Amino acid sequence: AQRVTQPEKLLSVFKGAPVELKCNYSYSGSPELFWYVQYSRQRLQLLLRHISRESIKGFTADLNKGETSFHLKKPFAQEEDSAMYYCALSLYSGAGSYQLTFGKGTKLSVIP
Amino acid sequence: NAGVTQTPKFRVLKTGQSMTLLCAQDMNHEYMYWYRQDPGMGLRLIHYSVGEGTTAKGEVPDGYNVSRLKKQNFLLGLESAAPSQTSVYFCASSRGTGELFFGEGSRLTVL
Repeated sequence: AQRVTQPEKLLSVFKGAPVELKCNYSYSGSPELFWYVQYSRQRLQLLLRHISRESIKGFTADLNKGETSFHLKKPFAQEEDSAMYYCALSLYSGAGSYQLTFGKGTKLSVIP
Repeated sequence: NAGVTQTPKFRVLKTGQSMTLLCAQDMNHEYMYWYRQDPGMGLRLIHYSVGEGTTAKGEVPDGYNVSRLKKQNFLLGLESAAPSQTSVYFCASSRGTGELFFGEGSRLTVL
C-alpha cells in the first residue's frame, strides 16, 4: 500500500512565484513526516521535519492530520530551489527501529 | 568527517555477474540502509540494519544480499546481476530518527 503520495512528478514555476509541493500520506498512527531535497549532483539531504516546525531556506510545511497532508510551501521561489524533492514518512518497523518510506518525488524547476 | 562514503561510484556489469557495493560511515550510527532510486519510482528500501550483525528486508529485497559485520560498514551484494537491477543505489545511516545521512550514490548498469 502506498504510504506517501506526491501527485506531481514535475512542477515548474517562475522565479518569485509561490511554490507548493504536495504530499499526502496514509498512516493510522501518529505520523512523523519529513521533506528531503536533492540538488543537482549533490546527495540527498534533510530539508525539514514536521516536529521541528521550522523554516529552512524559506520553506515551511504544516502537518494537516485531517487532510493527511504535509505540503511544502515557499512564498517566493528562487532559481536555486530547483531540485528534486521527496516527502518521507517514518514508520515503526519493530524492535525499536524505524524505516523511512519515500514518495516518488517532485522535480521543481524554477524558471528565471 | 567524510560522513557516508560509497564505493564504487560507477560500475557496469554483464548479466549474471556478481558485485558488492560498500558503504562506510564514520558517525557511529547504529542504523544503515540501502535504497535504490529509479526514474518515476522514487527511493525504495532494499535492506536495512539496526546494528552490527543485524540485517532486515525492506520493500524490494529480491536479488540482493547484505551484511553488517562491522558497525561502520554495510555491504550490498548482487549475486547474479539482472538488467532490472540497473539503478542508482544510495546508502544512508542514522541514529534511529528520521534524519538520514546519505552517500553520493552508486550508479550501476547491467547489460
